Amino acid sequence: EIVLTQSPGTLSLSPGERATLSCRASQSVSSSFLAWYQQKPGQAPRLLIYGASSRATGIPDRFSGSGSGTDFTLTISRLEPEDFAVYYCQQYGNSPQVTFGGGTKVEIK
Amino acid sequence: QVQLQESGPGLVKPSETLSLTCTVSGGSISSSSYYWVWIRQAPGKGLEWIGSIYYRGTTYYNSSLKSRVIISVDTSKNQFSLRLSSVTAADTSVYYCARFVAAEALYYFDYWGQGTLVPVSS
Repeated sequence: EIVLTQSPGTLSLSPGERATLSCRASQSVSSSFLAWYQQKPGQAPRLLIYGASSRATGIPDRFSGSGSGTDFTLTISRLEPEDFAVYYCQQYGNSPQVTFGGGTKVEIK
Repeated sequence: QVQLQESGPGLVKPSETLSLTCTVSGGSISSSSYYWVWIRQAPGKGLEWIGSIYYRGTTYYNSSLKSRVIISVDTSKNQFSLRLSSVTAADTSVYYCARFVAAEALYYFDYWGQGTLVPVSS
């Protein structure tokens, strides 16, 4: 089973700053199988990025995804007040199995 | 617009079976491009995949829950269901149903239900 490790656990930033979130896989993951989600309190997760770098419909271009192999990154170029939330990476593997990272909380500094 | 809605008892007693149904509207559950999935989230914790089902009935389960989980599909009602047996307090979670896209070599969750909190308590 592929394990996804997200870092940092919490990111304290101010609006307007750049956020860089990391997702590291225990084995190589195809870029096609890597996605990112945003979750706000009391809400279901929302798809941000699929295929490691493709933005989902309606997602602002301040969100971008990159990476390959075992290292993937979600970048928020300039944080807006509505971006403070928890972010999860997710991979689809053999069997087929789905695994999520433990999440990164982006909080207001 | 596809919508998913979880339904089921709001409270389950320890050792009993948790049963939830997800009703899909705005699209057919009988599509070759999707899996239908149950995910849960314990209070204050991360997301845990429970299992997936294809419309033809093929199932895939998280190995940590496999002995207690059954997921089924009813295409005539555009629904799929979850049964989790022998529950304990550790199974207290928000349970989500979701649609998983598996098409054109891309794999991701595009639609989610709002989630339903299921406490396990006597």
